[in-house]
Amino acid sequence: GENVEQHPSTLSVQEGDSAVIKCTYSDSASNYFPWYKQELGKRPQLIIDIRSNVGEKKDQRIAVTLNKTAKHFSLHITETQPEDSAVYFCAASRRRGSQGNLIFGKGTKLSVKP
Amino acid sequence: GAGVSQSPSNKVTEKGKDVELRCDPISGHTALYWYRQRLGQGLEFLIYFQGNSAPDKSGLPSDRFSAERTGESVSTLTIQRTQQEDSAVYLCASSLRDTADTEAFFGQGTRLTVV
Repeated sequence: GENVEQHPSTLSVQEGDSAVIKCTYSDSASNYFPWYKQELGKRPQLIIDIRSNVGEKKDQRIAVTLNKTAKHFSLHITETQPEDSAVYFCAASRRRGSQGNLIFGKGTKLSVKP
Repeated sequence: GAGVSQSPSNKVTEKGKDVELRCDPISGHTALYWYRQRLGQGLEFLIYFQGNSAPDKSGLPSDRFSAERTGESVSTLTIQRTQQEDSAVYLCASSLRDTADTEAFFGQGTRLTVV
């Protein structure tokens, strides 16, 4: 089955700096890669996702890149703000038939210092 | 409903008792997932339902754990003979269908404490 590795487990940056979180996956058939943000005590919420036919996607200060050959994808947050502090999870899925389960990395705790 | 609903929000049970957790997915969502999140840890996959296909049970940690889903509606996760290590937040998520680019929405979770 799919295995997703996520690094780093913790990341501390100064407000205004950029943050990068990296993930690798094992199943070459995976074709959907979402990123979720979980604030303390709350449910995970989708912030951005990318499909395997796209190499990069941006949404304001957030961007995700995908390298299918190397089977890794990354989350980039620019001009970080204190409200970006949370745990971020990457995930991978085949999104096909009965094999569409969504497997998550272990998370990255991002702290943005004012 | 407006979102994924889970009940109860909190459950305290004695070691050795059975517990049943409920998830009401968003109406029309054919895919449903259960995850376990221990304190400060990641989202551990438990089981996945997709329509009428056989569920993917590969994440269930032991035979004390089981889950059912009636059609494309409510799902229940049952933990038999609970142990202290079962203490965690159990999260349910649903998505519209797995062949489209659709978001998985999470419920608020059930916090299970085994004493």
